[in-house]
Amino acid sequence: AQTVTQSQPEMSVQEAETVTLSCTYDTSENNYYLFWYKQPPSRQMILVIRQEAYKQQNATENRFSVNFQKAAKSFSLKISDSQLGDTAMYFCAFMKLPPNTGNQFYFGTGTSLTVIP
Amino acid sequence: SQTIHQWPATLVQPVGSPLSLECTVEGTSNPNLYWYRQAAGRGLQLLFYSVGIGQISSEVPQNLSASRPQDRQFILSSKKLLLSDSGFYLCAWSPPPTGPFYGYTFGSGTRLTVV
Repeated sequence: AQTVTQSQPEMSVQEAETVTLSCTYDTSENNYYLFWYKQPPSRQMILVIRQEAYKQQNATENRFSVNFQKAAKSFSLKISDSQLGDTAMYFCAFMKLPPNTGNQFYFGTGTSLTVIP
Repeated sequence: SQTIHQWPATLVQPVGSPLSLECTVEGTSNPNLYWYRQAAGRGLQLLFYSVGIGQISSEVPQNLSASRPQDRQFILSSKKLLLSDSGFYLCAWSPPPTGPFYGYTFGSGTRLTVV
């Protein structure tokens, strides 16, 4: 079975600074997807960034980037120039291939990030 | 474009009363559909998923049930609510397995309080 571990239950960062959220996973699969989702106080789950395991290049979406270390099974999220709107719970998630087969999407327990003005 | 609607947004129900939460998806066909529950300050727990009309898989034994009467409609039900059913319920969808996978798209959620 796949597991996703987020070892930082809570983090804080000063506005405009950079913060890195950690995520590790355990799998015997070679092909899979990894995701970071954001859940702001509204509790709407929003996809932040996605990484395909067969791609060595780290995914980037504006101020959000990942450090994907496949051998170490690590998938950290870096938020640059933190903004107050980044305050949210962040979930790391793993999906093994083939996708969309029901229960093969695994979430971590989340990291609560607070951006301090 | 595809959209997902989930209602109601908030619900307060007495113990022992029935429950019906509805989720519909627009702009796609044959989506995979999911119901998740999130307790306060906790992660997401998969309750049910469906890969087609009338096809429901349950992940957690409990007094909840799910149904998919139409291709893009997913309903979460209970005949008698328990206090432990309180939580935040999220519906999600993903496209059928053709092409790249871009993750789940979630509804806006239902906050259920059982009193």
